[in-house]
Amino acid sequence: EVQLVESGGGLVQPGGSLRLSCAASGFTFSSYAFTWVRQAPGKGLEWVSAISGSGRNTYYADSVKGRFTISRDMSENTLYLQMNSLRAEDTAVYYCAKSLTYYYDSGGCDYWGQGTLVTVSS
Amino acid sequence: QSALTQPASVSGSPGQSITISCTGTSSDVGSYNLVSWYQQHPGRAPKLMIYEGGKRPSGVSNRFSGSKSGNTASLTISGLQAEDEADYYCCSYTNSREVFGTGTKVTVL
Repeated sequence: EVQLVESGGGLVQPGGSLRLSCAASGFTFSSYAFTWVRQAPGKGLEWVSAISGSGRNTYYADSVKGRFTISRDMSENTLYLQMNSLRAEDTAVYYCAKSLTYYYDSGGCDYWGQGTLVTVSS
Repeated sequence: QSALTQPASVSGSPGQSITISCTGTSSDVGSYNLVSWYQQHPGRAPKLMIYEGGKRPSGVSNRFSGSKSGNTASLTISGLQAEDEADYYCCSYTNSREVFGTGTKVTVL
């Protein structure tokens, strides 16, 4: 059974940092690209970042470029999102999602985690 | 990158068919056959319903179908059922990133 389990969310002050994790199981982790998507309270979905199956290629939304870093650990079957210089507008539920393909060319994401809430507030 | 435009709400009676539009530009929807559609029930993670424009993942009902014409993609739900009541989002690949639609709330009357 495919499972994606996010962790690492919480309350952080503006300017602070958090690292989100997404533990994957039930499939060959290294065979697929991954995506982070966020959803602010009561709002729609926003694409944040993606990483190819190899981890060599990474992609970012303009809103987070230079502040967020996506990475993956093949030995731990875990996806990460390092978030620095956090702002109030980064407050959202963050979902990790498995892409249908190895390369990030996204036709879609077929499995999603349950999400982890990040709240940026003083 | 601006969000794709979807109607805020669409409604229909059980058994009817409804269509949700998703309008983008020649840089996203119009350039790639890489539009996906997601269903999201309150408090739940999104679920992939359509990928690559018109393909259905295993386990998704054939009542859901996708199409595209020019810069506009569409999701049609036929034989509307109570459990189809949810928010629906389109998503298009564009230039090494993705853009989601504004979301549509589907109400089953």
